[in-house]
Amino acid sequence: QKEVEQNSGPLSVPEGAIASLNCTYSDRGSQSFFWYRQYSGKSPELIMSIYSNGDKEDGRFTAQLNKASQYVSLLIRDSQPSDSATYLCAVKRAGSYQLTFGKGTKLSVIP
Amino acid sequence: GAVVSQHPSRVICKSGTSVKIECRSLDFQATTMFWYRQFPKQSLMLMATSNEGSKATYEQGVEKDKFLINHASLTLSTLTVTSAHPEDSSFYICSARHDRGLQETQYFGPGTRLLVL
Repeated sequence: QKEVEQNSGPLSVPEGAIASLNCTYSDRGSQSFFWYRQYSGKSPELIMSIYSNGDKEDGRFTAQLNKASQYVSLLIRDSQPSDSATYLCAVKRAGSYQLTFGKGTKLSVIP
Repeated sequence: GAVVSQHPSRVICKSGTSVKIECRSLDFQATTMFWYRQFPKQSLMLMATSNEGSKATYEQGVEKDKFLINHASLTLSTLTVTSAHPEDSSFYICSARHDRGLQETQYFGPGTRLLVL
């Protein structure tokens, strides 16, 4: 069974700190990796996608991918209370259209 | 990012009635759309994959005769919950696959909250 694992949290960080969210996956055929943010009562919103090993930066967000270790992470710099949400890691296998989601990590940024 | 809309955003219906939910990709064509359901404080659950011009593929345990899916155009998929019952009350979310080759991405609609009385 293809699995995506995330620490459920809650992860609490003070405002202005770096939040580090981690995700591991079991399927070595995984090709594409995504981070979605889901506020309570809302649908998921895509915030980062990464397709090759290394780092990808977009504003305060940095996604890191290490395919050898089957590990993908999301760093949020200068965390804001508005970043408080559940962050979903999603993985897509090559040749498949479906995403496999982790259960999500709940992040709380404390003012 | 690409935009996906859903309508209605919220619906209340009586038990035994049918409810139709629309999912539209507004600025791109989507040959594949997905329907998810999410109960409070739980993970997304994929219900079915909707393919333009062909039958939907349902996940195990999802009744295809109860959850009718039609994907008649490259920008519209509909989910009809037939003979709804209170246990069907949930948050229904669609997503659309934006095909950009190796960098294809899925974008979610805002969701439809269904309450069956």
